[in-house]
Amino acid sequence: DIVMTQSPDSLAVSLGERATINCKSSQSILYSSLAWYQQKPGLPPKLLIYRTSTRESGVPHRFSGSGSGTDFTLTISSLQAEDVAVYYCQQYFSTPRTFGQGTKVEIK
Amino acid sequence: QVQLVESGGGVVQPGRSLRLSCAASGFIFSSFGVHWVRQAPGKGLEWVAVIWYDGSTKFYADSVKGRFTISRDNSENTLFLQMNSLRAEDTAVYYCARDQLGDGLGGMDVWGQGTTVTVSS
Repeated sequence: DIVMTQSPDSLAVSLGERATINCKSSQSILYSSLAWYQQKPGLPPKLLIYRTSTRESGVPHRFSGSGSGTDFTLTISSLQAEDVAVYYCQQYFSTPRTFGQGTKVEIK
Repeated sequence: QVQLVESGGGVVQPGRSLRLSCAASGFIFSSFGVHWVRQAPGKGLEWVAVIWYDGSTKFYADSVKGRFTISRDNSENTLFLQMNSLRAEDTAVYYCARDQLGDGLGGMDVWGQGTTVTVSS
């Protein structure tokens, strides 16, 4: 199984500042098969980014994804209050699909 | 609008069975792979199973293999999860999620609101 490890587990960022979440896989993920999800309390996850760097329709441009191989990053360029959530990376290159443990983003 | 609605959750004793359903609407259900993903209380997301658009191929997490069965009825636009031999560690919110692709090799772009399963004596 491919193990996905996110860092940090949580981070606090000032409004308008950049937030960066890292995701490392235990094996190389080919075909850019990496997605990012946002989950707010009491709600289901929401797809933000797929294919490593493609924003889902309707997702604000302040969200961007990058990376390749085993190292991937989600960046929120200018944190807004509504971005407070837990963020998960997920690989869909192989089965079982695996998620990172989640990164909680808060306002400093 | 595009929607997935889960049902069938509840409280069940260890060792018993439960069947979850996920009703799809607003899109051509038979064109997409569909997943079950669960989330234990206060924990992260755990992928459970996927079924291809035509039901021909299914994959399971090791934690549920041999106990859970994923199936679909494309004529009724419904996904199912038959859960047998339930354990306390199966307690979670269960989400169904549409895959972007028919063969389940994409991101999960549509999610239901979830249904809660509690396994307790």
